Amino acid sequence: QVQLVQSGAEVKKPGSSVKVSCKTSGGTIRSYGFGWVRQAPGQGLEWMGGFVPRLDTATNAQKFQGRVTFSADDSTNTVHMEIRTLKSEDAAMYYCASGGGWPPYFFDSWGQGTLVLVSS
Amino acid sequence: DIAMTQSPDSLDVSLGERATLNCKSSQSVLSRSNNKNYLAWYQQKPGQPPKLLIFWASTRVSGVPERFSGSGSGTDFTLTISNLQAEDVAIYYCQQYFTTPALTFGGGTKVEIK
Repeated sequence: QVQLVQSGAEVKKPGSSVKVSCKTSGGTIRSYGFGWVRQAPGQGLEWMGGFVPRLDTATNAQKFQGRVTFSADDSTNTVHMEIRTLKSEDAAMYYCASGGGWPPYFFDSWGQGTLVLVSS
Repeated sequence: DIAMTQSPDSLDVSLGERATLNCKSSQSVLSRSNNKNYLAWYQQKPGQPPKLLIFWASTRVSGVPERFSGSGSGTDFTLTISNLQAEDVAIYYCQQYFTTPALTFGGGTKVEIK
């Protein structure tokens, strides 16, 4: 079971971009597939998409297509999720998660979350 | 897309009693090829990320107390918490992975102590 440590909270202006990082320990990122899940304040969980560095394959939920991209840095065992053209409704806690392989089924490892605030 | 609907939204249960949480999918998540239901349950406590409890609808994760059990098939699923403990206060989510890599979560059920 991989350990996931995410980057710190961000405050962004509407229209800007944010990049959230998720660093693995206990395994190389090439051994896993990753999902991203967000949670708006007081709301439920929303799957955003997933990425498997080994295959350089990604999939996005339809509502995020064209606005969210995933990437990986093998040298630091870190995966990233970038959201462009931020809107106020993007304010949420963002989680990276892993369930092992690809395609993802369920997630047994979760990062601690990264809070993204969007405010002018 | 498969929509997941959980009921009730919230549930008040006395300590030691049973909590029954429901999850319904808009289409079957039972695979005919392997006879498995592509359904997982998570527990989320305040200020924490979700924790996987059950996968394949009824397989408990190692270390999860036996009072948590999952059942159901096709489109209707249940998470049962027997002998509710104070530490079980949380929001519980179901998630389908039948359409992986596209995944869907239910809206959650909040469990509190009566």
